[in-house]
Amino acid sequence: DTGVSQDPRHKITKRGQNVTFRCDPISEHNRLYWYRQTLGQGPEFLTYFQNEAQLEKSRLLSDRFSAERPKGSFSTLEIQRTEQGDSAMYLCASSLEAPNAEAFFGQGTRLTVV
Amino acid sequence: DAKTTQPNSMESNEEEPVHLPCNHSTISGTDYIHWYRQLPSQGPEYVIHGLTSNVNNRMASLAIAEDRKSSTLILHRATLRDAAVYYCILRATSGTYKYIFGTGTRLKVLA
Repeated sequence: DTGVSQDPRHKITKRGQNVTFRCDPISEHNRLYWYRQTLGQGPEFLTYFQNEAQLEKSRLLSDRFSAERPKGSFSTLEIQRTEQGDSAMYLCASSLEAPNAEAFFGQGTRLTVV
Repeated sequence: DAKTTQPNSMESNEEEPVHLPCNHSTISGTDYIHWYRQLPSQGPEYVIHGLTSNVNNRMASLAIAEDRKSSTLILHRATLRDAAVYYCILRATSGTYKYIFGTGTRLKVLA
């Protein structure tokens, strides 16, 4: 399978703990996006990378959230000192650089903070 | 960010065509119109996109109004597998390249 893969698929953590999610995009895609989705809502944009450069961060991305894409390939999203409000599905997507390129989404990591 | 407006939900009978509308009155001249769908417990899936002309692919057709302020996704023969949330998205071709999702239209297909 050469699609976007995310790991883990599910994560349960206690409030206050740190968590890290990984996203492996489609290999030739230089754009990578992170989204968050809560029940009944559409995905909310968090941040995106072009190669290793993080070009935009949403105001939703508080200072407890950090994302990296160190070699322009896989990416990690870390949440420090998790709160119950962080419980959501975290989605990763990748695309080519072309302005009309389609995005390919992974199946997401479902985070539950207890 | 340019916004889109879609009905919250729609129903269709199996084997019948479905027309899913989207209003995007603040679209700029270079924004592409993308449609994605999300099946339960899965990430969004690309359906189709267009700029000015109508578009067809194996999954659907996209009809774009002449003034580009609205568009319609057409599923020619709905199947039970088409039950999903359908999102209409405007994607800028300069500056930010993010895909901005609204709340989408939940399509229910009746057997």
